[in-house]
Amino acid sequence: NAGVMQNPRHLVRRRGQEARLRCSPMKGHSHVYWYRQLPEEGLKFMVYLQKENIIDESGMPKERFSAEFPKEGPSILRIQQVVRGDSAAYFCASSPRTDTEAFFGQGTRLTVV
Amino acid sequence: AQRVTQPEKLLSVFKGAPVELKCNYSYSGSPELFWYVQYSRQRLQLLLRHISRESIKGFTADLNKGETSFHLKKPFAQEEDSAMYYCALRAQGGSEKLVFGKGTKLTVNP
Repeated sequence: NAGVMQNPRHLVRRRGQEARLRCSPMKGHSHVYWYRQLPEEGLKFMVYLQKENIIDESGMPKERFSAEFPKEGPSILRIQQVVRGDSAAYFCASSPRTDTEAFFGQGTRLTVV
Repeated sequence: AQRVTQPEKLLSVFKGAPVELKCNYSYSGSPELFWYVQYSRQRLQLLLRHISRESIKGFTADLNKGETSFHLKKPFAQEEDSAMYYCALRAQGGSEKLVFGKGTKLTVNP
C-alpha cells in the first residue's frame, strides 16, 4: 500500500488562476480529510468527505474553495481565482472508517505569485 | 470552541536528557487527544493517542483533565527523536476533524 498520495507536491499559480490539488487515499479508505497549514501555524481542518458526499465543510472558506470525492478517482480540492493568501501547504488524510487513525499524505505546497 | 496550545515553538535538549513537550487544550466536552510527529522530509504520522495508553518509541503522554493537559514525555531523548511534534484534539461523538496545535520543533543534540 503506497500510502496517501498527493499531487502535485509543489504547485505555482499566478493570482487569478485556478489550483487543483489531488489526493488518492489509501486502498480501502473511503474517508478523506483536507487540512491547510499556513506558515508558522498548525494544520487547520478544511473539509471531510466520504465517497460522493461532503460530511463536514465547516473549515472551508465560503468562496472560491470547493472539494469533491467522486465514486471513481481521487479527491480534488479546487481553489478558484487564487490570491497570495492561499499560499500554504495543503494536506490530505484518509481513514477506512470513523474513529480510526487517519493517515496523512506528504502535502501539496501551493505558492501564489 | 476547541483549541490546542503548544507553548514552546522550539525545544532543544541533549541526548540522554529527559524531554517534555507541553500541550494544553480547551474543550468543554470529553476529548480524544493525539500526538503526531513529522520527521524531516517525511509525512505526518500518528505517534500515540491517549485512549490506547501505550508507549511508542519510549514516549508516553497522560491526559490530565484537571489541568487540561496532554504533555508528551520521554525519559532519555535520542538524536533520532529530532522532529516536529503536533498535539491534536478530536471531539468525542462529534465531527471527525482534528484540531492541531502549532507544533514544537524538538532538537536533540549529541
